[in-house]
Amino acid sequence: EAQVTQNPRYLITVTGKKLTVTCSQNMNHEYMSWYRQDPGLGLRQIYYSMNVEVTDKGDVPEGYKVSRKEKRNFPLILESPSPNQTSLYFCASKERGTQETQYFGPGTRLLVL
Amino acid sequence: AQTVTQSQPEMSVQEAETVTLSCTYDTSESNYYLFWYKQPPSRQMILVIRQEAYKQQNATENRFSVNFQKAAKSFSLKISDSQLGDTAMYFCAFTTGGTSYGKLTFGQGTILTVHP
Repeated sequence: EAQVTQNPRYLITVTGKKLTVTCSQNMNHEYMSWYRQDPGLGLRQIYYSMNVEVTDKGDVPEGYKVSRKEKRNFPLILESPSPNQTSLYFCASKERGTQETQYFGPGTRLLVL
Repeated sequence: AQTVTQSQPEMSVQEAETVTLSCTYDTSESNYYLFWYKQPPSRQMILVIRQEAYKQQNATENRFSVNFQKAAKSFSLKISDSQLGDTAMYFCAFTTGGTSYGKLTFGQGTILTVHP
């Protein structure tokens, strides 16, 4: 089954404790992206990757890091989480081409205390 | 800047009736694609319908159809014969090429409640 998976699905942590949210897709997609969803703001792009070892900032990259060492994986790293990073996070992937539809993972709900 | 505006934070409709969700957008790009996503209580993002900006014909998917007005930069979603399972948050979004390649720009969302 073609899918995007994320782990963990739910996470409660404390300020400053490094964490990683994993994202994996089995569709051989080149493009992958992370979004965060906040009430009243919709989804906003954090980082994206056009291919292996090619990553770039989205609209809200502060406080986040990413890496793309393999085509299928695109982890999101919060090295020192803060309460304003409490949010719902989505990973997405798609084929090359502007017309291609993005496929979303199930989401990761993060609470930073 | 590219923006999407959904001016209706919440909408409600009776089962079997028709409802229209509004969306306006702003972009200087000529080649772009528009989407409506549904987010049920499970939080999964589900693609409902898409529209290519170069196509004049409005997209239709079963009970879902769009009214795409390119000059007005308007992209509304019509849901016919509403069902209880249509209860969800609905997001309007678009994507372009160029320097914003691949990025989906989303609206704020509209919570739709279908009443029995």
